[in-house]
Amino acid sequence: QVQLQESGPGLVKPSQTLSLTCTVSGGSITSGAYYWTWIRQHPGKGLEWIGYSHYSGRAFYNTSLKSRAAISVDTYNNQFSLKLSSVTDADTAVYYCARYADGLGWFDPWGQGTPVTVSS
Amino acid sequence: EIVLTQSPGTLSLSPGERATLSCRASQSVKSKYLGWYQQKPGQAPRLLIYGASNRATGIPDRFSGSGSGTDFTLTISGLEPEDSAVYYCHVSTDFPTWTFGQGTKVEI
Repeated sequence: QVQLQESGPGLVKPSQTLSLTCTVSGGSITSGAYYWTWIRQHPGKGLEWIGYSHYSGRAFYNTSLKSRAAISVDTYNNQFSLKLSSVTDADTAVYYCARYADGLGWFDPWGQGTPVTVSS
Repeated sequence: EIVLTQSPGTLSLSPGERATLSCRASQSVKSKYLGWYQQKPGQAPRLLIYGASNRATGIPDRFSGSGSGTDFTLTISGLEPEDSAVYYCHVSTDFPTWTFGQGTKVEI
């Protein structure tokens, strides 16, 4: 079955760009009506969606991030990535990637999550 | 923007009891796009219920979802210790914006 795995640095300095990658295995990133999604969870808090992208490049973002987020899909390597610019300590969180089924309305599966700390 | 309000914030129950979790939307949403997720400590969320009332693959039948319009409910019948978790509702009808509820913690 499809599995997702996040990777990337666990520590990012303030004002720099956070870069994470989610590798999709067990299925093609181009199959089906799916959106490839990033969601984060601040320490002890709830879930916040960051953005999502179809493999065609059609992407949508949470406006609360003020255009700092960008999601790209690499169909050759079956991966998708998140770049979050100008980070502050408010971006310290666990970052999850997930597959969203368009037309069905669910997230499944999820990656295990990767913690990211913003600190100098 | 749709707001999802979950109640109660925390539910403390004993094994074998029934848990009733509420998710209320600020405006009517399509049931098709209402889902419930379970998150255990240190783990990623897991899909429990989709389309308001459909159990995801491998989810025990003690979990059930119901509701329509603005009021949705997740019921866990016959609580087991491993059901201790935070439960989130989510809706995606307000395209392209998604909304999560703030979560209900179930303690057993």
